[in-house]
Amino acid sequence: YVLTQPPSVSAAPGATATIPCGGSNIGDKRVHWYQQRPGQAPVLVIFDDNSRPSGVSGRFSGFNSGEKATLTISRVEAGDAADYYCQVWESGGDRVVFGGGTELTVL
Amino acid sequence: QIALEESGPALVNPTQTLTLTCTFSGFSLSSGVAVGWVRRPPGKPLEWLALIYWDDTKFYRPSLRGRLTISKDTSKHQVVVTMSDLDPLDTATYYCARGGDPYFDFWGQGLLVTVS
Repeated sequence: YVLTQPPSVSAAPGATATIPCGGSNIGDKRVHWYQQRPGQAPVLVIFDDNSRPSGVSGRFSGFNSGEKATLTISRVEAGDAADYYCQVWESGGDRVVFGGGTELTVL
Repeated sequence: QIALEESGPALVNPTQTLTLTCTFSGFSLSSGVAVGWVRRPPGKPLEWLALIYWDDTKFYRPSLRGRLTISKDTSKHQVVVTMSDLDPLDTATYYCARGGDPYFDFWGQGLLVTVS
């Protein structure tokens, strides 16, 4: 199972950034998103398509339907610059699958 | 407070076997809990390696299945992964994390392992 993400996305401060994650019938799976800042460990920012862990800003939201899941970051800040990864559990293959990652550049 | 910490060698020779230990606190590897390993090679994306459940069920990345072994010591709050026949392409930062099925909610800080 393959998850496809664009290598990079850019957004100006205060704007909205949208990061897509494509996969076959991904809408039938639960999608999770991680933020990884340079030199740091990944951090879970969205789980089960659209739930936020405690402590994660309400500016982060997720949506999943059909062939695409999306991570949306509203009112982008400089500190949001990071690599973002989508992830699913592929029950058919009993394995964790990560997308290729998207680098968010804050202009 | 949940915490995980990776330990192991920073430098390994090619063809040798790597042993990494994840020591965790704030939770136990009890019913419903899993711990996994993920790595990130320089300039490349995250790559899942292995997962072990409380009941000793194990899953491995298919392309590395023959080289990886994951195990746990519940009493020591540790999960260990070994990777054999190392290659310079295995140079990466290695992370352990809680969960994996379906998501990883807490991560260690990572350990850079160089194969050279």
